[in-house]
Parts: sequence; C-alpha cells; structure tokens
Amino acid sequence: DAKTTQPNSMESNEEEPVHLPCNHSTISGTDYIHWYRQLPSQGPEYVIHGLTSNVNNRMASLAIAEDRKSSTLILHRATLRDAAVYYCILRDAADSGAGSYQLTFGKGTKLSVIP
Amino acid sequence: DSGVTQTPKHLITATGQRVTLRCSPRSGDLSVYWYQQSLDQGLQFLIQYYNGEERAKGNILERFSAQQFPDLHSELNLSSLELGDSALYFCASSVVSSAYNEQFFGPGTRLTVL
Repeated sequence: DAKTTQPNSMESNEEEPVHLPCNHSTISGTDYIHWYRQLPSQGPEYVIHGLTSNVNNRMASLAIAEDRKSSTLILHRATLRDAAVYYCILRDAADSGAGSYQLTFGKGTKLSVIP
Repeated sequence: DSGVTQTPKHLITATGQRVTLRCSPRSGDLSVYWYQQSLDQGLQFLIQYYNGEERAKGNILERFSAQQFPDLHSELNLSSLELGDSALYFCASSVVSSAYNEQFFGPGTRLTVL
C-alpha cells in the first residue's frame, strides 16, 4: 500500500480554519484518498474522501494537488469538538487481493483546538 | 451514533482466559471489519467478513478467531489471553467492500487482561 506522511500534531484557534496536510508521493492512479478522525474515547469516524477532484461535504473540504502527491483536509471553522486525531489513508481501487479494502491507519495528526 | 453496536463496552479478565466480543453492523451492511488499537501498535486491521465469508486477514494472532452469522452480526473470539492483548477492539461495517465506501465504526470494547 502507498504510504502517507502527516505531521504529528497541529494547533488551531477555535473558529479559525484549519489545514491538515498529507503527503502521499507514491500514490497510484487508482488510490482513493480517505480521511478519518478519532475523537477522544471514540471509534474512528469517516470525514471525507476523493480521487482526483476537490470534494466538499458538511464536515470538511478535501483539496487534492494536481499531481495527487499531496492533499489537504480543510476544516472551515474549528470547534472544540474537532479536537481529534486525523488520519489520511489511501485505499487502492485496484486491490489485487480478495478485495478487502481494509483501512491502514498510520499515526495521524493530533489536532488541538484552543478556545 | 454510527449505527454499529458493540458489546460489552468493558471487559476485565485474567491471563489464559477466553472472551468473546460481539458486533452488530448497521442495518443492510454486509461487510464487517475488526480492528485492534493498542498504545504501542496503534490501530491495526485484524480480519474482515463479507456476507458470512471471511474476506481478508491482517495482523490477527492464531489465538484469535472470528465469524459472521447469517443475521450478519459478528463475534471476535480471543483465547489464551496474554497481558499484551489488552487493547481497544473496534468493529466497523460498510455496505459493500470497496475502495470508496466509508466504514462506520462502533464505540469499541476495552479489554483489560490482568
């Protein structure tokens, strides 16, 4: 599986935008870029995913570089509830195995939100 | 609430014992995944079932096994427990098994082996 690199931690002030970067320089053409987050004492939670184009949903936006070697998760207005570990994960649609498509979690970025 | 339920929430047991963790996926989801989260290893994929059949195995020990029943709920069996098996165990479900479908995670079962 292609690997992702994220900063260990980031801080943001409440109600300000947050840009969480992810590098995936070995991404393949069939890799989907997924973001999950894990709030304290909870299971991981899906945030957003994309393939080539930028994506928006009610939680966040995903900006994908033109060469797809990096992406940025954008939280438009951070709230205290957004304090979590954010994981950037690649999932290969051309999985040559049995088609499991399990999530391979790295260490993620721990986001702290300052009131 | 993700719609995925896991029981029990907490489990405390002794080394050498056997426990069963239970997961009920979201209604209509055919695929169930089990993950283990420990302090030193992070979140790791253990095993996946799809519509009753084992689909893939990850870093699952031979002492661990799982199954998915006709009603699609799943159980993870952990035997000959060791101190190092203490961890959070998450179950996730998805409609189908694909690279773009999201997985919905349960609240987890915290296992403590004394």
